[in-house]
Amino acid sequence: GAVVSQHPSRVICKSGTSVKIECRSLDFQATTMFWYRQFPKQSLMLMATSNEGSKATYEQGVEKDKFLINHASLTLSTLTVTSAHPEDSSFYICSARMVQETQYFGPGTRLLVL
Amino acid sequence: GQQLNQSPQSMFIQEGEDVSMNCTSSSIFNTWLWYKQDPGEGPVLLIALYKAGELTSNGRLTAQFGITRKDSFLNISASIPSDVGIYFCAVAGGTSYGKLTFGQGTILTVHP
Repeated sequence: GAVVSQHPSRVICKSGTSVKIECRSLDFQATTMFWYRQFPKQSLMLMATSNEGSKATYEQGVEKDKFLINHASLTLSTLTVTSAHPEDSSFYICSARMVQETQYFGPGTRLLVL
Repeated sequence: GQQLNQSPQSMFIQEGEDVSMNCTSSSIFNTWLWYKQDPGEGPVLLIALYKAGELTSNGRLTAQFGITRKDSFLNISASIPSDVGIYFCAVAGGTSYGKLTFGQGTILTVHP
């Protein structure tokens, strides 16, 4: 149980385009999902908290208009990187929260912006 | 903000050796989690600890939630090559309710 999937696993796009990443909880319902960003050899950095049916909560320094989050159902949250630039290239990971604050992570999405 | 100090930063060991890593914090937390991350993958939950003093095992892995609720350790016994990866501790609770705070990670290399 507690399986989280992400799609796509990797994406290459041109600068200025938008990219959507999906995060799904496959065998449980998640009212809260999280989006992280990870640079090479570093720890995970929380970008935003995605709440089903309400607006996402963004961490300080994360532009909400650049990283659009939609949590339209109890099993799906999406992150859209708008007008992507090379500095947005990174490893994006989502997680879904279960009982007692435990989070289960997706396999990650590698984004490369050319 | 809340910070976790995870050590060591990296370890190079021979196959068959035991491994120990730990995390400490200046604040009290109600949940301690240990994750392993393989290259290019998301973190996988190894052990979750919810009670101070709790000692939990998962195969060759053993983790304990410190009695003061400010620290935790993870032990790996009889290491094998597939134990290679980055191990993260994470805590929940405190002032950032609902969020996880991660340690810096321990990079484990196992030589056959």
